Amino acid sequence: NAGVTQTPKFQVLKTGQSMTLQCAQDMNHEYMSWYRQDPGMGLRLIHYSVGAGITDQGEVPNGYNVSRSTTEDFPLRLLSAAPSQTSVYFCASSRRGGTGANVLTFGAGSRLTVL
Amino acid sequence: TQLLEQSPQFLSIQEGENLTVYCNSSSVFSSLQWYRQEPGEGPVLLVTVVTGGEVKKLKRLTFQFGDARKDSSLHITAAQPGDTGLYLCAGSSGYSTLTFGKGTMLLVSP
Repeated sequence: NAGVTQTPKFQVLKTGQSMTLQCAQDMNHEYMSWYRQDPGMGLRLIHYSVGAGITDQGEVPNGYNVSRSTTEDFPLRLLSAAPSQTSVYFCASSRRGGTGANVLTFGAGSRLTVL
Repeated sequence: TQLLEQSPQFLSIQEGENLTVYCNSSSVFSSLQWYRQEPGEGPVLLVTVVTGGEVKKLKRLTFQFGDARKDSSLHITAAQPGDTGLYLCAGSSGYSTLTFGKGTMLLVSP
């Protein structure tokens, strides 16, 4: 199984450009999420989804949009990129562990630079 | 907002030394997880602890969940260069979201 696949791995944008980071999982996980990772800030939740057609905001949602039309895919859209969105982005999906804990499987990350 | 504080932020040691990483919060979590992240990769789950006072061992790594379920520790015995990486703790209070600490960067030199 591929697990969680993110594309592209690297991207450079100019301020004001738009783009979509793709995320796909083949584990039939209900829950999917997007995090950004910045030096000294840890992983911060952007948006998440508990199932197809259902999305919700995380800690840092401004400037990002998501949709969940299928169980497998959870794209992250930047409508007008800003330098503050330079970061490494991780998509993650989860199965419910035997105890109910939300165990995450992460993709390999997408490094985005906004000039 | 629930916060998880990890300490130390950075640790550089020699092969064979022991070390402990701490993860503390003022909030109670239903479970706590530890992940390890290597450069250029996503975090990978090491362990989940659920019960207050629980201790789990994974080879040379020992994980403990505090009795009050507000804190956790990771102890590594006889560290090896392969243990190098970013260690992240994450707390869960339900099904939907995890709160991550900022991480401890561990460097083990031969």
